[in-house]
Amino acid sequence: ELKVEQNPLFLSMQEGKNYTIYCNYSTTSDRLYWYRQDPGKSLESLFVLLSNGAVKQEGRLMASLDTKARLSTLHITAAVHDLSATYFCAVMGASGAGSYQLTFGKGTKLSVIP
Amino acid sequence: EAGVAQSPRYKIIEKRQSVAFWCNPISGHATLYWYQQILGQGPKLLIQFQNNGVVDDSQLPKDRFSAERLKGVDSTLKIQPAKLEDSAVYLCASSLGFGFADTQYFGPGTRLTVL
Repeated sequence: ELKVEQNPLFLSMQEGKNYTIYCNYSTTSDRLYWYRQDPGKSLESLFVLLSNGAVKQEGRLMASLDTKARLSTLHITAAVHDLSATYFCAVMGASGAGSYQLTFGKGTKLSVIP
Repeated sequence: EAGVAQSPRYKIIEKRQSVAFWCNPISGHATLYWYQQILGQGPKLLIQFQNNGVVDDSQLPKDRFSAERLKGVDSTLKIQPAKLEDSAVYLCASSLGFGFADTQYFGPGTRLTVL
């Protein structure tokens, strides 16, 4: 059974600071997603990482994937208040039914303080 | 392109009552998913349809939950009878196919409160 662990689960950071969210997963996968969720809203896809060493950047967010370490990171550069949200990583893996399913981490709730 | 539609957005019921949720996927998407997201946790897959057939329902509590996808388009998820622990957001998602490379697109969700 695929397990996905994120840390930290809660992150309070000041505007302008840098920080990294970590996502570890338990079995081999070459497809990992990062989603953002605002309170009361659905999931917004931020990045999909498809291979070892993949790096994607959008604005102040940069995501990377190390499939050998089974680790993905989401790096926040010079945080601003608008980045306050919950961030989920999700890993695509084989299900027991012969198909594929996404397994999500518990999420990291980010609060950016002025 | 219209996204995944869900209704209702909010529902409050008492325990032991029944409730149903509706989902309309993105046009042309063959695969439809229902997820349960309990407060403070990530979404958990309940059931996956490919067209109108069930691909995976291994995590669906079948004693109280049921789902169908008639004609391979819209889907309904039903809970009967509801328990307090069913309070959660129910998310519907769809994807073009059901392979490893298919990206899932999520709807706005239905927030269920069971009193």
